[in-house]
Amino acid sequence: SSELTQDPAVSVALGQTVRITCQGDSLRTYYASWFQQKPGQAPVLVIYAQNKRPSGIPDRFSGSSSGDTASLTITGAQAEDEADYYCNSRDNSATHYVFGTGTKVTVL
Amino acid sequence: EVQLVESGGDLVQPGGSLRLSCAASGFTISSSWMHWVRQPLGKGLVWVSRLKSDGRSSIYADPVKGRFTISRDNAKNTLYLQMNSLRAEDTAVYYCASERDGYNGALDTWGQGTMVTVSS
Repeated sequence: SSELTQDPAVSVALGQTVRITCQGDSLRTYYASWFQQKPGQAPVLVIYAQNKRPSGIPDRFSGSSSGDTASLTITGAQAEDEADYYCNSRDNSATHYVFGTGTKVTVL
Repeated sequence: EVQLVESGGDLVQPGGSLRLSCAASGFTISSSWMHWVRQPLGKGLVWVSRLKSDGRSSIYADPVKGRFTISRDNAKNTLYLQMNSLRAEDTAVYYCASERDGYNGALDTWGQGTMVTVSS
């Protein structure tokens, strides 16, 4: 198996930009996807295939990747973006899946 | 509207069994890969199992392999997770999620979750 490592917490001022990173060997081979989870709610897909947004996800959310690190950027963070964010991909076995450790985003 | 609704979570004693259900609407689960993911309270997401669209190819995370079985009923458009020999560390909210065409392998839709508590 493999691991995906995220910073535990980040904060961002209202309207500013924040980048969340996800590091793991499997990201050299497989796309990352990103999920937003608010307290008491199910995760919601916000980015897939590294940089695509599902219908209904604001364009302030974007994704990128370089080497073994994937990133989720929120440009112009809003109060409603305060949540936990998780990355996800296949692991190096190609058959199993793995989630990142999660990042709590606080909007100040 | 694409929707997943889980049910079946309960309080069960260690060593016991439980079957979770995930009813799908708005799409056909037999055309999708389907997953179970769990989340211990206050902790992160943990992938549990996946069933391919052929209905036969399944795979499990090591902590549940040999104890959990993923399956589906096409007529009911429902996914299941049979959990046997339950342990305290299986206590978590269990989510089902779809991996549909067009999302490049991402888990695109999630249910609201069902709580499983393993305790004496």
